[in-house]
Amino acid sequence: EPEVTQTPSHQVTQMGQEVILRCVPISNHLYFYWYRQILGQKVEFLVSFYNNEISEKSEIFDDQFSVERPDGSNFTLKIRSTKLEDSAMYFCASLAFFGQGTRLTVV
Amino acid sequence: AQKVTQAQTEISVVEKEDVTLDCVYETRDTTYYLFWYKQPPSGELVFLIRRNSFDEQNEISGRYSWNFQKSTSSFNFTITASQVVDSAVYFCALNDYKLSFGAGTTVTVRA
Repeated sequence: EPEVTQTPSHQVTQMGQEVILRCVPISNHLYFYWYRQILGQKVEFLVSFYNNEISEKSEIFDDQFSVERPDGSNFTLKIRSTKLEDSAMYFCASLAFFGQGTRLTVV
Repeated sequence: AQKVTQAQTEISVVEKEDVTLDCVYETRDTTYYLFWYKQPPSGELVFLIRRNSFDEQNEISGRYSWNFQKSTSSFNFTITASQVVDSAVYFCALNDYKLSFGAGTTVTVRA
């Protein structure tokens, strides 16, 4: 069964540093997504990506965030100058299928 | 605007009891999809079911069953004969090119 793969599973970073979260979506899917879940809260939409460009983004997805698909298979979320409140689980999704998530802790 | 409401924050049952999770949604779209996900303590989101708005037939998969009622905008989920392994947070979600999630219901099944 095809699956979405995310790396790393855990990331600890210092406040102000940049992080890149990586995802390998399901290969024949066209829509990819990033979602965020702050501990104990609901899953929130960040951004959708279609045909190698952003199709929709939420108000959370400000200039601190960027996405790209650098090589046709990987799909990355970059967070610049991380803040404590960026600590969360970040999920990549192909349509409705989610990766196992990356738990980001900003210290 | 899309909205999903899961009114039950937490449910605690004893093993073998049935548990029903409520989900009510709001949308202006005539075509949409509804989903249920399970999030065990390990944190991943496990896809359970997808139902499109034109298919109101109830579905059963093992101990899981779903009741979709368009007239009341509800898509409820029942776990029959619950087991300890069913302990998790369950999310209902609505799709319009992206998923809008409810707040989740934490189910605890005690042995």
